[in-house]
Amino acid sequence: QKEVEQNSGPLSVPEGAIASLNCTYSDRGSQSFFWYRQYSGKSPELIMSIYSNGDKEDGRFTAQLNKASQYVSLLIRDSQPSDSATYLCAVDTGRRALTFGSGTRLQVQP
Amino acid sequence: DTGVSQNPRHKITKRGQNVTFRCDPISEHNRLYWYRQTLGQGPEFLTYFQNEAQLEKSRLLSDRFSAERPKGSFSTLEIQRTEQGDSAMYLCASPYHTGTGELFFGEGSRLTVL
Repeated sequence: QKEVEQNSGPLSVPEGAIASLNCTYSDRGSQSFFWYRQYSGKSPELIMSIYSNGDKEDGRFTAQLNKASQYVSLLIRDSQPSDSATYLCAVDTGRRALTFGSGTRLQVQP
Repeated sequence: DTGVSQNPRHKITKRGQNVTFRCDPISEHNRLYWYRQTLGQGPEFLTYFQNEAQLEKSRLLSDRFSAERPKGSFSTLEIQRTEQGDSAMYLCASPYHTGTGELFFGEGSRLTVL
C-alpha cells in the first residue's frame, strides 16, 4: 500500500463546475496535510495546508480533512481552464520530509 | 533573494558521466530538501539538511549520489556514473516558514541521461 494515494485521473470538469480531488493516506499518526499544484513542466507550488479536522477555505479552494477516515480532499469551485494542472497531495508523517502522492491530473474544459 | 534558485535548469549527459546540481535556498532558512520527480509520479524525497548537517537520506540515494551543504548555505547534489534511470527532475525546496512542512520549490534541474 502506498503511503499517499491519489487517483491519477484525468479528472475532466466543465468550466464553472466544482472539481473534487481526493487523497488517502496510510500513516494514522500524520499531522499535517498539503495540496500542491503543478503545471506541466513546472515545479510544484503550495496552494493549501490543513492541520485539523474539518474544512479550510481560501478563495475558490476548500481543503477538507478527516483523520478518522484518513482522507484529505480539495474542492475547487468555479473551475477555470487555468486550473488545469496536476494536483499533488502531500502528508507530513513526522519523519521530517513530506510524502507526496502521484497526483491527479485535472482538465477544465472551456 | 526570497526564492529558491537551481542550476543548471537542464542537463543532458551520457551514461557514465558525473553531474552536479546546485541549489541556493531561501535566505536564512536552515532547512533544505532534495526531491526527485519522474514523469507521472509525485516528488520522492532524497535527502534533507538542517544547516550544514545532512540529517536524513532516503534509500533512493544510492552510493552514487552525494549531497553537501557547506556552511549551511547553498547545496550541491552530485550523481556519479550516471545511469539512464537517473533521468528525472531534481527539485530543491525550502520551507516557507521555519518549522513547517510548507515547502517552496525551486524550478528544478532536469537531467537526461543518454
